[in-house]
This record gives sequence, C-alpha cells and structure tokens, in this order.
Amino acid sequence: AQRVTQPEKLLSVFKGAPVELKCNYSYSGSPELFWYVQYSRQRLQLLLRHISRESIKGFTADLNKGETSFHLKKPFAQEEDSAMYYCALSPSQGAQKLVFGQGTRLTINP
Amino acid sequence: DTGVSQDPRHKITKRGQNVTFRCDPISEHNRLYWYRQTLGQGPEFLTYFQNEAQLEKSRLLSDRFSAERPKGSFSTLEIQRTEQGDSAMYLCASSQTGGHGYTFGSGTRLTVV
Repeated sequence: AQRVTQPEKLLSVFKGAPVELKCNYSYSGSPELFWYVQYSRQRLQLLLRHISRESIKGFTADLNKGETSFHLKKPFAQEEDSAMYYCALSPSQGAQKLVFGQGTRLTINP
Repeated sequence: DTGVSQDPRHKITKRGQNVTFRCDPISEHNRLYWYRQTLGQGPEFLTYFQNEAQLEKSRLLSDRFSAERPKGSFSTLEIQRTEQGDSAMYLCASSQTGGHGYTFGSGTRLTVV
C-alpha cells in the first residue's frame, strides 16, 4: 500500500532560521514525489516535484530512495513561508492519483 | 480561463438530502480529479476522469457517491442520502496528460446537519 507520513503536524521556526519539513513514504515501486502548499485563504498549489530538481521560493527537496524520504528544506525562512505544506506521492510518472500526507503547518515567527 | 472553478463554495444540508457539486476544470486539461479533505487530514483521492471516462474510483466512494463528466469538460459529484460523516471539503483538480502536477480548485465545503 502507498503511504505518506509527515511526522510533524506543527512546526515553528524564527525568521532567518533553517527549516526542514519531513516526509517519509512507503511504496515498493518508483514513485513521483511532490510538495504542495496552501497559504492562508488560498487554494492548494504545487510547490515542487522531485523530477524537476528545481528550487522554488528557496525551497529544495531531495528524494532519498534508501531512506524513502523527501524532506523539504530552506536555509533561511521568511515570514511569507508560513503555510500548510503537504507531501504527496504518485505511483507513477504522469500524475494520476496522488496520495497525500496529513500536512505540516509551518509558522515563521518574526 | 481563471483556473479550476467549483460551485457552490459552501453547502449546508440536512441529513438524508441529496447534494450535487460542480467542477469546471482548466479548458485544456483532459484529466479531472475529485478529492475529499476532512479537518486535520490531507486530501484523499475519490475518483478521476480522463476526458469523459471515469478511470479509477476509490473504495472511499460508497454507492451513495456518483461522479460524471459527460462531455469531457465539467464534472459533477453527487452524494445521495447524505450522512454527517460526509461533512468535508470536496476538492476538484485538473491536469494535462504528461503535465506537471495538478491545479486545484478552491473546494466546496459540505456541512451535513
């Protein structure tokens, strides 16, 4: 069965500090991994996907197949990063159904 | 095209009533998805369409739930004989085959009283 685990429901860091949101998955195949973000009063939107290997808004995420993890990192947090973050897995490339984690609410304190 | 639209934004209904939600995807997108999200949880997959064909349904989708996408454009999700456990945010998303992730709508919040 496919499963995505985000162990922290809440994460609070100070502005300028590094931030890491954890995501672990269980799937026997070669999944595609995503991070979605939902800012206050906005709709859920794609932040980044592991295949593109991009840095979006200063965030990066590396797929570690050995540890089955896809942690989201940013070296210097900004107040506008405060949001709900969801890690998601697609069983195959081409994004059919997604399996989401429970989400982590990130708060950046001034 | 302003993205994925969902209607209504909010729906309050009495237990036992039927409700129908509508989703208008981005016009170029051939795939359309329905998800349900309850408080404190991530979205859970319900069903998806490629054009007008419903290709997958979750076991979460009981017989009281039905979804259609008759012309491969907009989609409707109907819940018959609503129960309090159906109270949730119902999210629609669309994508293009081979595209880079979904575009989500704002959702329809259903409250069953």
